[in-house]
Amino acid sequence: EVQLVESGGGLVQPGRSLKLSCAASGFTFSNYGMHWIRQAPTKGLEWVASISPSGGSTYYRDSVKGRFTISRDNAKSTLYLQMDSLRSEDTATYYCATDTYGGYTYWGQGVMVTVSS
Amino acid sequence: DTVLTQSPALAVSPGERVTISCKASESVSTRMHWYQQKPGQQPKLLIYKASNLASGVPARFSGSGSGTDFTLTIDPVEADDTATYFCQQSWNGPRTFGGGTKLELK
Repeated sequence: EVQLVESGGGLVQPGRSLKLSCAASGFTFSNYGMHWIRQAPTKGLEWVASISPSGGSTYYRDSVKGRFTISRDNAKSTLYLQMDSLRSEDTATYYCATDTYGGYTYWGQGVMVTVSS
Repeated sequence: DTVLTQSPALAVSPGERVTISCKASESVSTRMHWYQQKPGQQPKLLIYKASNLASGVPARFSGSGSGTDFTLTIDPVEADDTATYFCQQSWNGPRTFGGGTKLELK
């Protein structure tokens, strides 16, 4: 059974940092591109960042470029999102998801990040 | 970025047929995908590449379209289908989602 389990969320002050993790199991992690997608409270879904299967290519939405870093450890089957210089508008539930045919086949349960003083 | 436009809400009776539309601001070929999200849960993939049923999804769900106009159809609708439905494109630049259509049952 495929499982994606996010962790590392919480309440953080503006300007501070947080690192999210996504532990994968039930599939060959190193074969799949991975993504972080977020959803602000009562809002829609927003793609944040993605990484190729090898980790050699990364992509970011404009609003997080230079502040967020996506990475992966294929030996540990784990995806990461380092979030620096956090802003109130980054407040959201963050999901990790697998990439299949351009759609997101498997999603984690999500982890809440709240940026507030 | 490609903007995807969905109607905000629909209300239908169980047993009826419902179509949920998604219009793209530019062509996305057939790289349109559909998701169902229930309150407090993560989204679930229903349809990938416009018309392909994801694994384990009931055949009551179907998708169609290409270019800029896409449709998700549920026939017949069941009470458990109460949820918000999102479209998402993977053809142009950053992947984008529609604003979601909230489906309510009468």
